[in-house]
Amino acid sequence: KQEVTQIPAALSVPEGENLVLNCSFTDSAIYNLQWFRQDPGKGLTSLLLIQSSQREQTSGRLNASLDKSSGRSTLYIAASQPGDSATYLCAVGEAGTALIFGKGTTLSVSS
Amino acid sequence: GAVVSQHPSWVICKSGTSVKIECRSLDFQATTMFWYRQFPKQSLMLMATSNEGSKATYEQGVEKDKFLINHASLTLSTLTVTSAHPEDSSFYICSALQGRANEKLFFGSGTQLSVL
Repeated sequence: KQEVTQIPAALSVPEGENLVLNCSFTDSAIYNLQWFRQDPGKGLTSLLLIQSSQREQTSGRLNASLDKSSGRSTLYIAASQPGDSATYLCAVGEAGTALIFGKGTTLSVSS
Repeated sequence: GAVVSQHPSWVICKSGTSVKIECRSLDFQATTMFWYRQFPKQSLMLMATSNEGSKATYEQGVEKDKFLINHASLTLSTLTVTSAHPEDSSFYICSALQGRANEKLFFGSGTQLSVL
């Protein structure tokens, strides 16, 4: 059964710092991996989607990498801002099936 | 992107009552929808997979008689929490699958249920 682990569970950084969030999964037979953002009491905002054949995806200050063989992904956030404060969720899945989520990393960026 | 509407956003109810949560795909047809539950500081846990016109598939440990799922049309799935108890208080969120590949998964905004 697929399990997704995210480290750290929480992270506090000063504004402007670059940071890395980690995600690992136990079954490398995934279709793709996605990173989401969740604000308190809210739904999910999709940030980046990496197909299993890809190594990384970039969107603005965000860069996500995928090493499928080792079961790892990282989300890199450059020049963090207070508005980046949220919980970041990593999820993996197969085509047409539900995503399996990690517990998330709660990020707090202070000004 | 496509829009998934989930209502209500929050609900408070008395113990023993039933609560219905709706999940609608507004601009696409979704043959498959997923229902998740999230407790504070926990991951989103898949509860069930809802397929239009057929019975839902429940994950292990989820009581199908307590969490009734109906997917009567290609744009609407409902989750009814029957005889709710305080331990059912949680954040419930649905997602709808457009097409077959899960890069076309769209999420509702979630429903915060509080059972008194």
